[in-house]
Amino acid sequence: GAVVSQHPSRVICKSGTSVKIECRSLDFQATTMFWYRQFPKKSLMLMATSNEGSKATYEQGVEKDKFLINHASLTLSTLTVTSAHPEDSSFYICSARPPSFDEQFFGPGTRLTVL
Amino acid sequence: AQSVTQPDIHITVSEGASLELRCNYSYGATPYLFWYVQSPGQGLQLLLKYFSGDTLVQGIKGFEAEFKRSQSSFNLRKPSVHWSDAAEYFCAFYNAGNNRKLIWGLGTSLAVNP
Repeated sequence: GAVVSQHPSRVICKSGTSVKIECRSLDFQATTMFWYRQFPKKSLMLMATSNEGSKATYEQGVEKDKFLINHASLTLSTLTVTSAHPEDSSFYICSARPPSFDEQFFGPGTRLTVL
Repeated sequence: AQSVTQPDIHITVSEGASLELRCNYSYGATPYLFWYVQSPGQGLQLLLKYFSGDTLVQGIKGFEAEFKRSQSSFNLRKPSVHWSDAAEYFCAFYNAGNNRKLIWGLGTSLAVNP
């Protein structure tokens, strides 16, 4: 149980285009989902926390207009990288936490490459 | 400030040798502590966690960790390392605020020599 999927696993796009990444909790309802960014050989950087049905809370320094997060249902959150540029190339990871639970479950990540 | 320190950026051990990865945290109360492993091209996998109770916790793949309140540490150990253990290891804890955000260490990269 407690499986989180991400789609796509890899995406390559041209500079200036937008990319949407989906995060789904497959066998549980997630009231809270988290989006992380991981640079090579680096730790995870929390980008934002999203609660179902409300606006995401972004960490300091993360551009909310560039990284649009939608958590429209208890099993789906999306991250849209708008007008992507090469510096947005990274590994994006989502996690989901069931209600009244102290553990996050992580998706396998999405490798974004912006040309 | 709340933080996690993993003092060792990179460790190399021989297969069959014992392993200890260090983790120290800074937090005003007893945190919920986690160790995750990330293999190349893989997602994060939870190795073990400590919330309360017995301070020596057993995890998957033969790993264990010991919570020492006096030292603010949660070191990860394995008695005999396998080549497949080569990966990145992250220590993390929850803060007590809203949404219970994980505070992450920078990770320790483990290489295993045959």
